[in-house]
Amino acid sequence: QQQVKQSPQSLIVQKGGIPIINCAYENTAFDYFPWYQQFPGKGPALLIAIRPDVSEKKEGRFTISFNKSAKQFSLHIMDSQPGDSATYFCAASIISNSGYALNFGKGTSLLVTP
Amino acid sequence: NAGVTQTPKFQVLKTGQSMTLQCAQDMNHNSMYWYRQDPGMGLRLIYYSASEGTTDKGEVPNGYNVSRLNKREFSLRLESAAPSQTSVYFCASAWDRGEQYFGPGTRLTVT
Repeated sequence: QQQVKQSPQSLIVQKGGIPIINCAYENTAFDYFPWYQQFPGKGPALLIAIRPDVSEKKEGRFTISFNKSAKQFSLHIMDSQPGDSATYFCAASIISNSGYALNFGKGTSLLVTP
Repeated sequence: NAGVTQTPKFQVLKTGQSMTLQCAQDMNHNSMYWYRQDPGMGLRLIYYSASEGTTDKGEVPNGYNVSRLNKREFSLRLESAAPSQTSVYFCASAWDRGEQYFGPGTRLTVT
């Protein structure tokens, strides 16, 4: 059962556009929401993360918006560049007896055209 | 710092063969994880370990076993490989909470 639902599956924007990727979750016990970026042939790398006590977090051109009541969060990429073309994964984590396991969305393939 | 290293990078197995994927980290992290990545499925957790001597099942543990050999090393074993285990396998490590650092992956094909 997919605990984090991500959309869209793929996205094409022109350079300078603002792609938006959305994620939704059901488990209100989740308390850490990271976004990972993955380039072809590489492992995912943390891009930005948020905790549910804030509604927005910005790091450079990347912004997470978080809506706790709707159980949704989204990634916005300002002034997107061709180098941002990658697959993006949202995730959510919860503590368990063995630590903090991440539940990933299925990913969004982003293409930024010149 | 090498970060998280995985061996091998590529492997082809025949159905029924066994193999062990190796993972090591040099960041002194407590937690380590094994994921598999399949097209359109995202990353799915196979097993994880909060510390030496502890392991726990993730979302898709069937057909796999793990060993947390010491703080640095966490191996994933396929006892009898099946074509459904064709995938890219990623190891990751982390402090208790926060950023997980991923290795470069092992691309496994089972024929």
